[in-house]
Amino acid sequence: DAKTTQPNSMESNEEEPVHLPCNHSTISGTDYIHWYRQLPSQGPEYVIHGLTSNVNNRMASLAIAEDRKSSTLILHRATLRDAAVYYCILGDNYGQNFVFGPGTRLSVLP
Amino acid sequence: GAGVSQTPSNKVTEKGKYVELRCDPISGHTALYWYRQSLGQGPEFLIYFQGTGAADDSGLPNDRFFAVRPEGSVSTLKIQRTERGDSAVYLCASSLNARQGANTQYFGPGTRLTVL
Repeated sequence: DAKTTQPNSMESNEEEPVHLPCNHSTISGTDYIHWYRQLPSQGPEYVIHGLTSNVNNRMASLAIAEDRKSSTLILHRATLRDAAVYYCILGDNYGQNFVFGPGTRLSVLP
Repeated sequence: GAGVSQTPSNKVTEKGKYVELRCDPISGHTALYWYRQSLGQGPEFLIYFQGTGAADDSGLPNDRFFAVRPEGSVSTLKIQRTERGDSAVYLCASSLNARQGANTQYFGPGTRLTVL
């Protein structure tokens, strides 16, 4: 079973910020928090990852709660191309495979 | 640089036939993963290689499924006596080193397998 829980779906308006939540209450000290997204008919695409501190890259920001039991992926200005299924996954550095849940399907309205 | 590539992109076969699916990982990546994704679901782990050896094959559904990575680069997923239930998108991912850092995995576009 996936070790994360996410809402099944969310909607956003174009050019507005989007906050995608993820709960991972059983996270261990060595688990990284990864976010991937999957556009239709494509493989999952890496978005961002973090361990304890908030992270920013050109695609998104990742806000990690102080107790690490939840995190939020932030898309600062949603575009139509951001419509995808977003997966929040825990992974460690012992070679463990990713366990995907159903993810959050993000719809972006023009 | 080049990402993970998978061939063929689509494969249609008949029930009972044998199929091979190929994955070319990112150059220099030592870890390679195979996942399977059914319609409307997230990817499901099948097998993971660190170098040439299968470090974890606990996700393979039965002994009709087998994978190799003889030189630690390209991998082939082999399915014998295909069944209609094997129809899915088969995804391959690679990472620099599964036992260091965040083990970020990079995915290929997948092979869509249809068993008639």
